[in-house]
Amino acid sequence: GEDVEQSLFLSVREGDSSVINCTYTDSSSTYLYWYKQEPGAGLQLLTYIFSNMDMKQDQRLTVLLNKKDKHLSLRIADTQTGDSAIYFCAEGRGSARQLTFGSGTQLTVLP
Amino acid sequence: IAGITQAPTSQILAAGRRMTLRCTQDMRHNAMYWYRQDLGLGLRLIHYSNTAGTTGKGEVPDGYSVSRANTDDFPLTLASAVPSQTSVYFCASSSGEGNEQFFGPGTRLTVL
Repeated sequence: GEDVEQSLFLSVREGDSSVINCTYTDSSSTYLYWYKQEPGAGLQLLTYIFSNMDMKQDQRLTVLLNKKDKHLSLRIADTQTGDSAIYFCAEGRGSARQLTFGSGTQLTVLP
Repeated sequence: IAGITQAPTSQILAAGRRMTLRCTQDMRHNAMYWYRQDLGLGLRLIHYSNTAGTTGKGEVPDGYSVSRANTDDFPLTLASAVPSQTSVYFCASSSGEGNEQFFGPGTRLTVL
């Protein structure tokens, strides 16, 4: 979606941290999400953050939200080969929390 | 526990034909959604439904219609398929509380 932007590719070495960045445009979005898609599969929710939060940590995942710059990031600590996938950020808006997705970032973890 | 199921898994369709993609969820979620996924464009919302009996248009609704006769089912119909509708289609549902949309496994549709 043109309202949510992500870089297309990221490569990291196994054991390093990965940081996937996302920018969005709608300041009225109340929820921001990170989804993971493995090859041939549907999307799986990794984590989400409310717009009134700055940071959320969940095990190896850390989400940072900068509302002023409309910037969202996902940090994966100790990246493993099983983390190789496409990662989508999305903003939720509207009465049914319709999601607007970024184009996805292909994360490749090198041994 | 099935979650969300979609049928068919894949389909090759001649242009001009009518096609209905099926989506069923057993989680009693109020909200359901249809997305299409195209390379480099992420997922784009086609139609959504807040609750049974109501539907709404998403970002790319043209050429598609939906119905929501009951809570569990949310079929997507292509009245007269065109090659630009070649895509992977994902159905999703949520409780409407804003936390998580659960996605089906997808339907790969090719229109020739």
